[in-house]
Amino acid sequence: NAGVTQTPKFQVLKTGQSMTLQCAQDMNHEYMSWYRQDPGMGLRLIHYSVGAGITDQGEVPNGYNVSRSTTEDFPLRLLSAAPSQTSVYFCASSYGRPIMNTEAFFGQGTRLTVV
Amino acid sequence: GQQLNQSPQSMFIQEGEDVSMNCTSSSIFNTWLWYKQEPGEGPVLLIALYKAGELTSNGRLTAQFGITRKDSFLNISASIPSDVGIYFCAGQRGYQKVTFGTGTKLQVIP
Repeated sequence: NAGVTQTPKFQVLKTGQSMTLQCAQDMNHEYMSWYRQDPGMGLRLIHYSVGAGITDQGEVPNGYNVSRSTTEDFPLRLLSAAPSQTSVYFCASSYGRPIMNTEAFFGQGTRLTVV
Repeated sequence: GQQLNQSPQSMFIQEGEDVSMNCTSSSIFNTWLWYKQEPGEGPVLLIALYKAGELTSNGRLTAQFGITRKDSFLNISASIPSDVGIYFCAGQRGYQKVTFGTGTKLQVIP
């Protein structure tokens, strides 16, 4: 049981490049989410999904796209990377019932630098 | 967006000392969660609280759901070096998204 797996662990992008951060969970969780962590800012929600085929925006969605074609996978796409997107990105999952996103399990994070 | 204020922002303590930290909000929450993040890792859930006034322990950790539902507290007794990390509180109202605090960075001096 691997839990929540994020790839890659580290990435350097040039401004304007695109890339996809991968997230997979093997716990059959309904709820998955993406956060970014910046110094002094805590964790801020980018996008979330309450199940396959359903996604919604979080607190800081601009510049990011997501899709949820399967229960297991929830990739995060950066369409045109900007230096302001330099951050540590965390994917999380939880059962979604009875209360959405309580007791979330987090991946190890992807450290992204945009130059 | 909604903010959770955590204090202190950071603390240095001697091994064996007790630690207290808290989290306050301007809004009422139905659920309070406490996570610990170690360097290079994702946050790990320590304690979940679902009822106002609830006091829950997990080993040397004890957390309380404030009576006003606008605050929560985390205490660590007899700290050890492996307690080092960043402690995050998180709050949730109903089925809404979880809001995280800015974290308390704990360093333990052996």
